[in-house]
Amino acid sequence: DVKVTQSSRYLVKRTGEKVFLECVQDMDHENMFWYRQDPGLGLRLIYFSYDVKMKEKGDIPEGYSVSREKKERFSLILESASTNQTSMYLCASSPYGADRVDEQYFGPGTRLTVT
Amino acid sequence: GESVGLHLPTLSVQEGDNSIINCAYSNSASDYFIWYKQESGKGPQFIIDIRSNMDKRQGQRVTVLLNKTVKHLSLQIAATQPGDSAVYFCAGSPLIQGAQKLVFGQGTRLTINP
Repeated sequence: DVKVTQSSRYLVKRTGEKVFLECVQDMDHENMFWYRQDPGLGLRLIYFSYDVKMKEKGDIPEGYSVSREKKERFSLILESASTNQTSMYLCASSPYGADRVDEQYFGPGTRLTVT
Repeated sequence: GESVGLHLPTLSVQEGDNSIINCAYSNSASDYFIWYKQESGKGPQFIIDIRSNMDKRQGQRVTVLLNKTVKHLSLQIAATQPGDSAVYFCAGSPLIQGAQKLVFGQGTRLTINP
């Protein structure tokens, strides 16, 4: 079974702090994704990566950055957390590279609260 | 671009009945569609997917129908059980070279009445 793990289930941070959300997948998948999920807005794509050290902006990249130094790990960084970044953050991975769309496997999510 | 929307934010059905959850999309070039189930406190779980060269695909107790003419897809769940209570998302992906993105609808919350 594919397993996508996220470093924390719940996180509380203060405004202005730098926040790291970590995601690891164990199935040698090429693609990894970060979404945020808010009530009434569904899942919105922040960033994705289809190869090590590669990254692409999603629909709402402002205020976020990412890092993919190893194939299995994709980190989401909030450089200076703000209250409007309070949300559920979901990481996902999928097996193939940039040229094919397939099922994405999701982690359990990190509920981040910024106070 | 692509937008994906679900017709109803909530759906309530009797246990044992069939459930039908609908979804519409805007981009006629969309090539791939997928349904996810999300239970409270968990990440979305894959249910079934379908590519644009198919009209119908069946899984265990689930069927996805794709109508490309009206840009509509539906998820049918047979003999709905209490464990089917969840939020259901459809997602579609436009055929864009060099990018693999899913665009998600807002979700339909399915409630099962005993």
